[in-house]
Amino acid sequence: GQSLEQPSEVTAVEGAIVQINCTYQTSGFYGLSWYQQHDGGAPTFLSYNGLDGLEETGRFSSFLSRSDSYGYLLLQELQMKDSASYFCAVRGRDDKIIFGKGTRLHILP
Amino acid sequence: KAGVTQTPRYLIKTRGQQVTLSCSPISGHRSVSWYQQTPGQGLQFLFEYFSETQRNKGNFPGRFSGRQFSNSRSEMNVSTLELGDSALYLCASSWTSGRQETQYFGPGTRLLVL
Repeated sequence: GQSLEQPSEVTAVEGAIVQINCTYQTSGFYGLSWYQQHDGGAPTFLSYNGLDGLEETGRFSSFLSRSDSYGYLLLQELQMKDSASYFCAVRGRDDKIIFGKGTRLHILP
Repeated sequence: KAGVTQTPRYLIKTRGQQVTLSCSPISGHRSVSWYQQTPGQGLQFLFEYFSETQRNKGNFPGRFSGRQFSNSRSEMNVSTLELGDSALYLCASSWTSGRQETQYFGPGTRLLVL
């Protein structure tokens, strides 16, 4: 089977750094994506890792280790507007797109 | 450029009825995917269409079907609705159906089955 595991909730303080982990099990692998979804809103694309290593986009970075079937999303200088759910997603060998169940990020002032 | 639009935004139906949801992708996008989102289950892949052809289908019963038109607009249909079909149905579009394609999501249709 194919699955992605990520924590259901994470809490952090405004201005701090938080890491959201994602481990995956797929029959094939063509890259790990991250999406953000605010309450009542649509998911929006944050980043994509096709190769091992770190990808940086402003305050957000994403990391992938294909040998460990593991990736993470790193959010720096947290702002209250970052309170949202974050989903990791993969497209497996059968070309089906699978999303994790999402991590709810709570930010404390 | 206009984003992905979905209609209707909200819908209330009763068990046994059928429903058709519509999705208009971003202009120029040829791939449309559909997802069901429920609390605790995250986003579950329903199907993906590219150039009017279904490329892939998730693990949903045959009551769930879809199609794509020549202008890339897509519809999904759910027949014989069940209470468990209550969910947010999201549509996403991308330029092609490539493996690195970023998906752009619409606002969703929230379906309530009574």
